[in-house]
Formats: sequence, C-alpha cells, structure tokens
Amino acid sequence: AQSVTQPDIHITVSEGASLELRCNYSYGATPYLFWYVQSPGQGLQLLLKYFSGDTLVQGIKGFEAEFKRSQSSFNLRKPSVHWSDAAEYFCAVGVMGGGNKLTFGTGTQLKVEL
Amino acid sequence: DGGITQSPKYLFRKEGQNVTLSCEQNLNHDAMYWYRQDPGQGLRLIYYSQIVNDFQKGDIAEGYSVSREKKESFPLTVTSAQKNPTAFYLCASSSGLMSSYNSPLHFGNGTRLTVT
Repeated sequence: AQSVTQPDIHITVSEGASLELRCNYSYGATPYLFWYVQSPGQGLQLLLKYFSGDTLVQGIKGFEAEFKRSQSSFNLRKPSVHWSDAAEYFCAVGVMGGGNKLTFGTGTQLKVEL
Repeated sequence: DGGITQSPKYLFRKEGQNVTLSCEQNLNHDAMYWYRQDPGQGLRLIYYSQIVNDFQKGDIAEGYSVSREKKESFPLTVTSAQKNPTAFYLCASSSGLMSSYNSPLHFGNGTRLTVT
C-alpha cells in the first residue's frame, strides 16, 4: 500500500522568503501526487498535481513542486512567501487503478512572520 | 457558483446520540466522499459513493453510516457506536472515481463535531 510522509509538522518563514515543504511517498510504481492547502476551518484546495511528464509542475498561487523519483519526493516550493500563504499543506498520493482514494500525509502547518 | 455545502459548520451533541452531517453538491459530480480530520493525523476516508444508491466503506467506517439517495446529497450519520466522534468532518466530490489525477477532489468547508 502507498504511504506519504511529511516530516515537518510546523514551519515558520518570514514574508518574502523562499519556502520548501517536504513530501516523501512510498509506492512501487509512479503514483499520482497532489498538494492541497487548507486555511483554518476550511476545506482543502488543490494546489497542483503530477503524474508524468515534466518533473517540475506549476500550480496556483505561485506554487510549484518537483518530482524526484530517485528520492521518492514531491517537495512544494514557492520563491517568495506572502502572509496569506499561512495555512496547512497536505501532500497526497493516489495510484493508477485505485480510483479516487487518496492517501494523505499528516500535514505541515506554515506560519509566516511579517 | 458550483460547490459543496456542508452544514452546519459547528455541531454539538451529547454522548450516546446519533447525529447527521449534511453534504450537498451542485457540481454534477458522480462521486462523493467523507473524510475525518484529526490534528496530526491528516485525512482518513470514512465512506465513498460512486453512484446513487451505492456506497463503500473507507478505512475507518466503523460507527458511521451514509446514504446516497440523490446524486447531489451524501449525508453522514455519526452513531453512538463511534468511540471518538469529536473531529472535523470533510465532504468531497469528484467527477468520477476512475482516476484521482483526471478527476481531483473538491472539498466542502467542513463540519466541526463536538461530542461531550
């Protein structure tokens, strides 16, 4: 079965600084990979997704993620963080033939200092 | 605008009572899902439904029940058999169940259930 690890529970960055949130997955083949964002008390919003092709994918709100097969990673990045980016970020994995049943990581809480 | 509506946003119940959480979508999506979110545990799938009058158990279905009598509605009942019902519950939908990549999940804003 697939699994997802987000090793950082909390991350604090200064506004304008760069951001990288880590995500490692475990699966025998290439999975579907997703990053979602959740503002406090809200549902989740899809930031970006990856399955194949260019390993660097662009998403909404200026986010991007890079798939590295050798490291089983799909880290989320943003060159310059805005205070409104403060939220919880979830990495998720789906598998071909697995329907729409995603496995979510435990999330990384991002705090942005002004 | 199309979307998913979950109501109420906050719900309080006494232990031993069943409670039903509402989820309505106007996205014309075939598939609907219920997730439970607890701090530090991410999201866990409770039930999902691919089509009207059909649903399947997810990873943590014990103590929960659902129905899918209409395409747009997928209510979740938290029964008294659920040992730790206090949590944040998220409803989601997707255009299909065949591929998570081609039909990603759309989420409602959740219901926070507190049982005392």
